Amino acid sequence: DAGITQSPRHKVTETGTPVTLRCHQTENHRYMYWYRQDPGHGLRLIHYSYGVKDTDKGEVSDGYSVSRSKTEDFLLTLESATSSQTSVYFCAISSKGEDTQYFGPGTRLTVL
Amino acid sequence: QKEVEQDPGPLSVPEGAIVSLNCTYSNSAFQYFMWYRQYSRKGPELLMYTYSSGNKEDGRFTAQVDKSSKYISLFIRDSQPSDSATYLCAMVYNTNAGKSTFGDGTTLTVKP
Repeated sequence: DAGITQSPRHKVTETGTPVTLRCHQTENHRYMYWYRQDPGHGLRLIHYSYGVKDTDKGEVSDGYSVSRSKTEDFLLTLESATSSQTSVYFCAISSKGEDTQYFGPGTRLTVL
Repeated sequence: QKEVEQDPGPLSVPEGAIVSLNCTYSNSAFQYFMWYRQYSRKGPELLMYTYSSGNKEDGRFTAQVDKSSKYISLFIRDSQPSDSATYLCAMVYNTNAGKSTFGDGTTLTVKP
């Protein structure tokens, strides 16, 4: 398995609280991605990074921010969590833009 | 209209059956095509990767791409209960960042 870990693996929080999810890789891959997965919607890209401090928005970026200060870490922050952000969040990494992506185990987030 | 449409399923077949999973797409700029398999409560894992029209075979799995018709398929021969999972097609056109567009997934159950 590619060296990708996500933390926490499960989290329950309340509406309005800030939440940060962490993705850590040991593969030294350039690209990192955050997706959310919901029934009926498949995987949707939230944000991605193409290098340290280089990030861009995906298709569902509203309400989320990201940071990448080191190659190995990519953080996803929900500034003020809402119930619509209840989902399973996956981090993925890739060595080249056209290459395949390797996924982490996911974080199950519930916002009450 | 979504850029990638995947046959929704769910699909239930007896062990040993041939399974066909299908996706269509609308953006002719897609250049790279993948199939991922996702077991329940796990992250997606790559099954097949191709970038040209035609067939690519790997054991019991065959990926087929028809760029003229904007259609891709995954065939599973001699299906096994261990093939029971959700299958996701994915496509990449932005090779600068590798942003993948995913289908919504087809859930397959192979009954012993």
